[in-house]
Amino acid sequence: GAVVSQHPSRVICKSGTSVKIECRSLDFQATTMFWYRQFPKQSLMLMATSNEGSKATYEQGVEKDKFLINHASLTLSTLTVTSAHPEDSSFYICSARKDSRLGPQHFGDGTRLSIL
Amino acid sequence: AQKVTQAQTEISVVEKEDVTLDCVYETRDTTYYLFWYKQPPSGELVFLIRRNSFDEQNEISGRYSWNFQKSTSSFNFTITASQVVDSAVYFCALGEGSQGNLIFGKGTKLSVKP
Repeated sequence: GAVVSQHPSRVICKSGTSVKIECRSLDFQATTMFWYRQFPKQSLMLMATSNEGSKATYEQGVEKDKFLINHASLTLSTLTVTSAHPEDSSFYICSARKDSRLGPQHFGDGTRLSIL
Repeated sequence: AQKVTQAQTEISVVEKEDVTLDCVYETRDTTYYLFWYKQPPSGELVFLIRRNSFDEQNEISGRYSWNFQKSTSSFNFTITASQVVDSAVYFCALGEGSQGNLIFGKGTKLSVKP
C-alpha cells in the first residue's frame, strides 16, 4: 500500500517552457502533499507544503510565482515550473501523507528536469 | 543550525559485513518522529522506518535494525550481513512542528562491494 505516482519521470525542454509535474496518491487520500528539490549528491530540500483545498505554504527562498502548486483533490497535486531556465534543472520529488501530522511521507519516484 | 546530522558522507563495505549508519538530531519539540529512507541509484525514496519520540525500544526488521537513544539524540541504523542491493544513499529525517515537515540529513552513501 501507500503508493505515490509521479509523472513524468524525465523532462527535457527548452528554456522558457513551462513544465507541469503531477503527483498522485494511488491507494490512499493524501491530506498533505510535499514538494522537494534535490540537487546532485545533495539532500532533499523542502520547497512547499500543500493541503488539499488551500494555498500551498512555501519555504523561504522559494518563488511562489515560479513554482506553482495546485492541490485540487485528495489524490492529486501538481507542480508547474513556469518559464523554466537552466538553473531550474534538478530532481523534483513529491511525497504524500495520509492524515496524521507526523505520519510517514510516501514518496513518488521523482522527476528529473533538464532545461536546455 | 543543522537539525539532522549524518556525519558519514560515504561508506564502503564488502558484502556480508555489518555496517552502521549514524544519525544525530536536534529538536526542541517533545513530540517528534524520526525516519529512515533509502534512495537507490534509480532515485526513488523508499520508506524504511518511523519511530516516535516516546518509543525508545529498538527495532529489528530482517537484516535491518535501529537504535534510538534520546539521551544522545541519536537514531542509528545497522544493516547486518550487507548485500550489494543495499547500495544506496540513506537519509535520516526528523518530523516535527505544526505541519510535521520532514527535515532531512545530508545522506550517507553506502556502497557494498561483492
